[in-house]
Amino acid sequence: QQQVKQSPQSLIVQKGGISIINCAYENTAFDYFPWYQQFPGKGPALLIAIRPDVSEKKEGRFTISFNKSAKQFSLHIMDSQPGDSATYFCAATDPGGKLIFGQGTELSVKP
Amino acid sequence: GAVVSQHPSRVICKSGTSVKIECRSLDFQATTMFWYRQFPKKSLMLMATSNEGSKATYEQGVEKDKFLINHASLTLSTLTVTSAHPEDSSFYICSATPPGIYGYTFGSGTRLTVV
Repeated sequence: QQQVKQSPQSLIVQKGGISIINCAYENTAFDYFPWYQQFPGKGPALLIAIRPDVSEKKEGRFTISFNKSAKQFSLHIMDSQPGDSATYFCAATDPGGKLIFGQGTELSVKP
Repeated sequence: GAVVSQHPSRVICKSGTSVKIECRSLDFQATTMFWYRQFPKKSLMLMATSNEGSKATYEQGVEKDKFLINHASLTLSTLTVTSAHPEDSSFYICSATPPGIYGYTFGSGTRLTVV
């Protein structure tokens, strides 16, 4: 119930392509869905986040699509760049404030 | 923007010794901070919730006596790994939520190596 399942585990995309990472959850009480970007040896940095009453949110090249009925959400990175190469984590917050992370996706953008 | 500072960024200690990691909210007060542990190429695992002025709440399976958490002020939480062993080697990360902002800010992490 408290799990957030993330796929794929790793992703290789050509420069300029679209990177897509998917997440699924079971707990309908989750009320906040952020995505984090983490570079090696650094803490995670908030990329973009969405609440369950919104189906899509776009910030620059990053878009979250949210399907409440399917309990799924995804991150799309448009025009992917080598500098986007990092590990991406989806997450969900339960009403108690705990942040539950997905397993992570290692993205590599090839020049 | 909200900044969470973590110190030290790297520490190497001998087996059996204790090491303290500090987490500070630089420009906001945090009544609650969170401590995570991350293994290489793995996700973040919540260890405990640090509450200012009261005892920390530990997640199931986390040893309270090994991982001592103190949240003595509204801007500082500390994690002390006691009697460290090589299996405690890991990347430890703290986070906090700035008031009025829905989201979590993470520190830059501490790489602990126990030799």
